[in-house]
Amino acid sequence: QVQLVQSGAEVKKPGASVKVSCKASGYTFTSYGISWVRQAPGQGLEWMGWISAYNGNTNYAQKLQGRVTMTTDTSTSTAYMELRSLRSDDTAVYYCARGITTDFDYWGQGTLVTVSS
Amino acid sequence: QSALTQPASVSGSPGQSITISCTGTSSDVGGYNYVSWYQQHPGKAPKLMIYDVSNRPSGVSNRFSGSKSGNTASLTISGLQAEDEADYYCSSYTSSSTSSFGTGTKVTVL
Repeated sequence: QVQLVQSGAEVKKPGASVKVSCKASGYTFTSYGISWVRQAPGQGLEWMGWISAYNGNTNYAQKLQGRVTMTTDTSTSTAYMELRSLRSDDTAVYYCARGITTDFDYWGQGTLVTVSS
Repeated sequence: QSALTQPASVSGSPGQSITISCTGTSSDVGGYNYVSWYQQHPGKAPKLMIYDVSNRPSGVSNRFSGSKSGNTASLTISGLQAEDEADYYCSSYTSSSTSSFGTGTKVTVL
């Protein structure tokens, strides 16, 4: 069965970086892209960007350009999302999901990233 | 990328039907048949309920249906059940090859 398993919760100080992993199983990793979505406490869903697991092409949300990098390791079927220069308003649950348009059919369990001094 | 507009809350009694709207522009909802709907229970990851405007993934109840007219997409839940109480989000592909989520709607079963 398809599964996306994310890395554990992180606590970071403002200005630091965080890298969240998303390990895929149960399907051919390179046949689908991975999108990243975040949700601040009590808030709605925010699309962050996607990466093609086939060729590494990416597309990021404009507001995160320059601070976010999405990568994949096809040898381990793992996707990564790194966010730099963290601010308090980056505190959120970060999700990976399979797909790159809008039909995100499988989701990871979420990773809570807390940014606090 | 502006969020798509949804009503903050919708409620209904068990057995009734409710409809949630999702309003965008010709650069997103109105321009593509790539609108999806997600259900999210508290503390859980979102679940895909409808994709490509009106298609249901395998395993999703046929009480859920989707449609689109112009720049507005809609999700209808018929035969409302207690387990349908959750937050619902629409999502659309956009002209810049990105995706945009709706503001979210809290569904309450009275």
